[in-house]
Amino acid sequence: ETGVTQSPTHLIKTRGQQVTLRCSSQSGHNTVSWYQQALGQGPQFIFQYYREEENGRGNFPPRFSGLQFPNYSSELNVNALELDDSALYLCASSRTGGGSYNEQFFGPGTRLTVL
Amino acid sequence: GNSVTQMEGPVTLSEEAFLTINCTYTATGYPSLFWYVQYPGEGLQLLLKATKADDKGSNKGFEATYRKETTSFHLEKGSVQVSDSAVYFCALWSNDYKLSFGAGTTVTVRA
Repeated sequence: ETGVTQSPTHLIKTRGQQVTLRCSSQSGHNTVSWYQQALGQGPQFIFQYYREEENGRGNFPPRFSGLQFPNYSSELNVNALELDDSALYLCASSRTGGGSYNEQFFGPGTRLTVL
Repeated sequence: GNSVTQMEGPVTLSEEAFLTINCTYTATGYPSLFWYVQYPGEGLQLLLKATKADDKGSNKGFEATYRKETTSFHLEKGSVQVSDSAVYFCALWSNDYKLSFGAGTTVTVRA
């Protein structure tokens, strides 16, 4: 069983640029969640995708957007990058259903540096 | 809203010492509680969980008990090893779509 994978591993951008991060969910999972983990802090929820639609969103501006594809993989797009967007971006996949908690399995993350 | 507060680090211990990391939470409803661990250079891994009051989660010698009366979920291990050096995160899920994490506690175990 393949786990959650993310690409790229590291990325360096400059202010104002746009970036796309990618996530492949674990086999059998239909839901992808994205988190931002700034240095020395806990992960903060950005949004979740289920059935190719945004299923919930945290306190992030609209320049953070996403997509989910029919194979359940996902992209996180960030426009007009700011210095504070420098962080580790984590993707987590899960199998939604039943109303109870379904364990989220995390990928290794993408380290984004904005200069 | 939901939130988690955990003991600030860093924590430095000698091998075989006792480890406690405090975690308290604020949540609506009846949350599920978790401890995640992040080893150097690796992603987040679920260490243990508890889904209802008085449940005890345990794994790899770590334990935590869901205390509804004190809204706490403290992590303990009786005898730490160097390999336990990592960042530990307390988290909760409360009948919505996201995990809410604490700020993390860095633990370093010296031989």
